[in-house]
Amino acid sequence: AQSVTQLDSQVPVFEEAPVELRCNYSSSVSVYLFWYVQYPNQGLQLLLKYLSGSTLVESINGFEAEFNKSQTSFHLRKPSVHISDTAEYFCAVSDSGTYKYIFGTGTRLKVLA
Amino acid sequence: DTGVSQDPRHKITKRGQNVTFRCDPISEHNRLYWYRQTLGQGPEFLTYFQNEAQLEKSRLLSDRFSAERPKGSFSTLEIQRTEQGDSAMYLCASNDYQETQYFGPGTRLLVL
Repeated sequence: AQSVTQLDSQVPVFEEAPVELRCNYSSSVSVYLFWYVQYPNQGLQLLLKYLSGSTLVESINGFEAEFNKSQTSFHLRKPSVHISDTAEYFCAVSDSGTYKYIFGTGTRLKVLA
Repeated sequence: DTGVSQDPRHKITKRGQNVTFRCDPISEHNRLYWYRQTLGQGPEFLTYFQNEAQLEKSRLLSDRFSAERPKGSFSTLEIQRTEQGDSAMYLCASNDYQETQYFGPGTRLLVL
């Protein structure tokens, strides 16, 4: 069975500092990996995804994540965060059949002025 | 493209009442998914449809829950005899045989 672990439930960081949100997964088959962001009282918005090819994927707002098969990780990073990045971030894994998602428990990023 | 929509956005009900939520997927998306998200947790898969066929149901979906997608377009999720433990955000998502799901804003249910 697939599973996703997000070890950090909350991450406080000062504005313009770098941040890394950790995600580890377990799966016996090839997977697709995703990061979604959720702002208060809203649905989930896709931030970035790994399907195949280059292991480093980037989003349009400065986030990046690297797929590491040997460590079964897909950590999310940003070199300089903004107040507006304050939100909850979810890592998810899916397979190539149903495409249903298995989510981690989420990491609440709090950017401090 | 108006995105995935859900109705209502909020629902407060008394324990024992029935509730029904609606999800309108992105036009022509043939797969539709329902998830439940409780406070402090990630969304959990409930069920999904391919066109009008319900292909998989999670064990989280007890007998009190039923979902339909009668014409392969919008879907409804009904909860009968609601319990306080049903209080959660119910999320709907859709895709078109792709890996990426597009989520609606969710319906927040509070059972008193």
